[in-house]
Amino acid sequence: QVQLQESGPGLVKPSQTLSLTCTVSGGSISSGGYYWSWIRQHPGKGLEWIGYIYYSGSTYYNPSLKSRVTISVDTSKNQFSLKLSSVTAADTAVYYCARVVGSAIHWFDPWGQGTLVTVSS
Amino acid sequence: SYELTQPLSVSVALGQTARITCGGNNIGSKNVHWYQQKPGQAPVLVIYRDSNRPSGIPERFSGSNSGNTATLTISRAQAGDEADYYCQVWDSSTEVFGGGTKLTVL
Repeated sequence: QVQLQESGPGLVKPSQTLSLTCTVSGGSISSGGYYWSWIRQHPGKGLEWIGYIYYSGSTYYNPSLKSRVTISVDTSKNQFSLKLSSVTAADTAVYYCARVVGSAIHWFDPWGQGTLVTVSS
Repeated sequence: SYELTQPLSVSVALGQTARITCGGNNIGSKNVHWYQQKPGQAPVLVIYRDSNRPSGIPERFSGSNSGNTATLTISRAQAGDEADYYCQVWDSSTEVFGGGTKLTVL
């Protein structure tokens, strides 16, 4: 079955760019049929959708984050990545990657285990 | 922007039925998905498209959606069902999550 694993620095300085990668195993991103997503969860809070990408590179972003977010895909490595620029302490969160299921209607399954990113000097 | 409202907490006696609601304007016209998140773990999909269970999810989990309220029902609640539960919909090009409900099994 498909599994996802996030990786990247756990500490980022304010004003810098947060960069994370999600490695997909058990399935190929380039086979199509699914979008691939990033979702975050602030400490002790709820879930916030960041955006998703198709293997072709087509992206959709949360309007509230769109100006700072870039999601990209590397099909040769079966990975997709998140970049969030100009971070502040408010971007401290657990970041999850997930597969997006469904065509016009989307749900997330499965999810990676998540990685905590702290923004601090 | 579209908002989903969930109760902060719900309690249920062991073996009884728990109902967790997700309120939104005319949510019955949307497809609602539900996730279970245990402490320190990633969310797990338990219901998709209002009432469908993914493989591996017990039949004790069911969902419904009508009017302004979607409901996740957990029958014969077990201690292992203690978790946070989140609803999710798609609205105006955005995936929206509810604030989450903490289920306590007494």
